[in-house]
Amino acid sequence: DTEVTQTPKHLVMGMTNKKSLKCEQHMGHRAMYWYKQKAKKPPELMFVYSYEKLSINESVPSRFSPECPNSSLLNLHLHALQPEDSALYLCASSQVEGRSDKQYFGPGTRLTVT
Amino acid sequence: QKEVEQDPGPLSVPEGAIVSLNCTYSNSAFQYFMWYRQYSRKGPELLMYTYSSGNKEDGRFTAQVDKSSKYISLFIRDSQPSDSATYLCAMKRAGGGGKLIFGQGTELSVKP
Repeated sequence: DTEVTQTPKHLVMGMTNKKSLKCEQHMGHRAMYWYKQKAKKPPELMFVYSYEKLSINESVPSRFSPECPNSSLLNLHLHALQPEDSALYLCASSQVEGRSDKQYFGPGTRLTVT
Repeated sequence: QKEVEQDPGPLSVPEGAIVSLNCTYSNSAFQYFMWYRQYSRKGPELLMYTYSSGNKEDGRFTAQVDKSSKYISLFIRDSQPSDSATYLCAMKRAGGGGKLIFGQGTELSVKP
């Protein structure tokens, strides 16, 4: 089973709202990732968690706040977003760094900021 | 110059054709090479994963890596309309913290 689940599938939020995206995996993976993908562009890495610790932050604005409560869950807290933040937000997971750290993606959350 | 170059297409082929998708890269430190398939409005699905140079086959799909030329390919035999999707190459270096570097993606359409 290589399933990564994400909720919600779709989210519409105003610029003053606070919302959260959730990601879950039960493959025993110890690395989890957030990506942002705009239309007709490849995914762009935002954050990497390794053993529940933030290991990479790709200079993401502070209005995006990641959280890894345990090895199976990853959240992305959103606050005061801008319309240009509208995109598909993808979660991925992998075994930690090694030859077999294949990254498996979830279906994504399509976010619209109005 | 981007680290990974991929022709965005679109590429349109008739059903049953052999499809060749390619990426070139500039960073000789890349050691892991992947192909993802992404259907419209879905997450990327890992198709092929290759370490270093060589070929790997899985059903109708063959991945080739030529590190001396910094060139990777994905071949799809007997293409089907269900293969219509965007194909993304991705690569990473050892010790790269899991960071994948993606190509722009090639949009493929297989016509019945």
